[in-house]
Amino acid sequence: DIQMTQSPSSLSASVGDRVTITCRASQSISSYLNWYQQKPGKAPKLLIYAASSLQSGVPSRFSGSGSGTDFTLTISSLQPEDFATYYCQQSYSTPRNSFGQGTKLEIK
Amino acid sequence: EVQLVQSGAEVKKPGESLKISCKGSGYSFTSYWIGWVRQMPGKGLEWMGIIYPGDSDTRYSPSFQGQVTISADKSISTAYLQWSSLKASDTAMYYCARRDCSSTSCYMGYWGQGTLVTVSS
Repeated sequence: DIQMTQSPSSLSASVGDRVTITCRASQSISSYLNWYQQKPGKAPKLLIYAASSLQSGVPSRFSGSGSGTDFTLTISSLQPEDFATYYCQQSYSTPRNSFGQGTKLEIK
Repeated sequence: EVQLVQSGAEVKKPGESLKISCKGSGYSFTSYWIGWVRQMPGKGLEWMGIIYPGDSDTRYSPSFQGQVTISADKSISTAYLQWSSLKASDTAMYYCARRDCSSTSCYMGYWGQGTLVTVSS
């Protein structure tokens, strides 16, 4: 099975900060990497697919990069509504489309 | 508008059976895979498995194979997740989601609102 490891597990930041979250796959997954945002009590929401493609309606301050085993999600200027938990997911190995353990982004 | 509407919260006792549902609307239900995701209290997302309602082709994550059954009734555009004998450790929020694919990747583009399952004696 492909293991997805995110870092950090939690992160404190301020409004306006630039934030980067990392996701590493245990083997190469090409660009089959998605990012989701989840707020408390809500279903996850797709932000980025295919490592770097922005989902329709998602603000341009979100961006993704990487290929192979190492990927990043960057938020260029944090807004109050961005404080949430972020998950990466590989879609290389179906049906085992495993998620990372999540990164909780909190207000400093 | 694409929508996935899940059945309501359930409270069950250990050993009981349960079937929760996910009804799709606003698109061709038989043309997209539907996946199920577990989120235990305070924990992360876990991929359970996926079904193609067009022909009921079903794939399970090894962690959930034999523990749950995924099915679909295309005549009513509904996917199901069921247990034959619940355990306390099945207490979780369960999400269904539609699998969309671009030319370069697949992803879960639409999600249900979640069904909370509580198993307690």
